[in-house]
Amino acid sequence: GAGVSQSPSNKVTEKGKDVELRCDPISGHTALYWYRQSLGQGLEFLIYFQGNSAPDKSGLPSDRFSAERTGGSVSTLTIQRTQQEDSAVYLCASSLGWGGNTGELFFGEGSRLTVL
Amino acid sequence: AQSVAQPEDQVNVAEGNPLTVKCTYSVSGNPYLFWYVQYPNRGLQFLLKYITGDNLVKGSYGFEAEFNKSQTSFHLKKPSALVSDSALYFCAVRDPSRTGGGNKLTFGTGTQLKVEL
Repeated sequence: GAGVSQSPSNKVTEKGKDVELRCDPISGHTALYWYRQSLGQGLEFLIYFQGNSAPDKSGLPSDRFSAERTGGSVSTLTIQRTQQEDSAVYLCASSLGWGGNTGELFFGEGSRLTVL
Repeated sequence: AQSVAQPEDQVNVAEGNPLTVKCTYSVSGNPYLFWYVQYPNRGLQFLLKYITGDNLVKGSYGFEAEFNKSQTSFHLKKPSALVSDSALYFCAVRDPSRTGGGNKLTFGTGTQLKVEL
């Protein structure tokens, strides 16, 4: 596609349920990032995928959070047993990767998660 | 660890006046610095970046930013603000001297710019 696509754009769920958020990056982009945007908190790094390398999971806030990237393209962020503090906008971004690019990220419009 | 500070939650400026949005950073090596803008209900868009070379970099929509190594700052500027510039602005840093975990961008908390008539 022309840009980074995220789905769903809005998700309302009940506390304790699992949710999956999907990101489809720009074709040919080898790097994929997940960030979380909470009101007044800026952008919080969650996880980074680069090609076939092991992902950088250093930003995942707890073991309830996981992400995978299949075939080097589409990524799914899964939050298990959601809590109210998980409510935020989850942003996905992709880039050409650091080898041939100095870091411009292309962001999707985000998935707004509300946990009741 | 790399970090970014945006000391102002909000900046108000009259249309036609110059604007400055402040950013300071902390990295162990030479930084790569970025500004992104987020319009209401939209994703973040890249504005400009400093990698190396001239300390004054120009970007989209008439914005520019000046890299100041001694002050560890990368303030965003525009000579004449427009109402349409009203948005949330994020500064970001990457430390390219770090391998592996240094590949991520670290963002500031954002500054809301409000340009009024």
